[in-house]
Amino acid sequence: GAVVSQHPSRVICKSGTSVKIECRSLDFQATTMFWYRQFPKQSLMLMATSNEGSKATYEQGVEKDKFLINHASLTLSTLTVTSAHPEDSSFYICSASQGAGNTIYFGEGSWLTVV
Amino acid sequence: QQQVKQSPQSLIVQKGGISIINCAYENTAFDYFPWYQQFPGKGPALLIAIRPDVSEKKEGRFTISFNKSAKQFSLHIMDSQPGDSATYFCAASKPGTYKYIFGTGTRLKVLA
Repeated sequence: GAVVSQHPSRVICKSGTSVKIECRSLDFQATTMFWYRQFPKQSLMLMATSNEGSKATYEQGVEKDKFLINHASLTLSTLTVTSAHPEDSSFYICSASQGAGNTIYFGEGSWLTVV
Repeated sequence: QQQVKQSPQSLIVQKGGISIINCAYENTAFDYFPWYQQFPGKGPALLIAIRPDVSEKKEGRFTISFNKSAKQFSLHIMDSQPGDSATYFCAASKPGTYKYIFGTGTRLKVLA
């Protein structure tokens, strides 16, 4: 299957700083990428849809100024958590669309801990 | 109408048994129904998926049964193994979008 890579897999940052998470599609071009947030033992919550070359579409209740998403190329999308606070600590997962058959593939996820 | 309801929340099965997880949806516009398997601390991995034009799809030990009239679909894991212990999510999406609506997840534990 298609491979989607996330980096870093774990990151610890201080409260008030910003942290960037990268999502790469390694063997296909992804016109659309998605960012999810998952709390322990809960389902995936879609945060935003990222389309290459255009502004991301955010889900209701997600602060676009806090969670900056950039999709600069067909293989890379980034999520920047700005002015992070402990409540932003979570598991962030990206996924990418291969473009056919509605199949999307997920990255391995990134654990963010804000201290 | 956008929800996908998943049950049970957790499931314990003996090795060799059949694990059954159910999902129900309301939006008849959904046309793609994948199942994902997620191990702790990892991203979800696509397991199997089905479209409404078929009532059943089988891949190895995994089978999806789809009931269009009842707006329900289920995952059956035959000959369940301890390595199948994971959280399983059903999902649904509408035509032309890749925006998945996920179920709440089922934590499966297969006892050795």
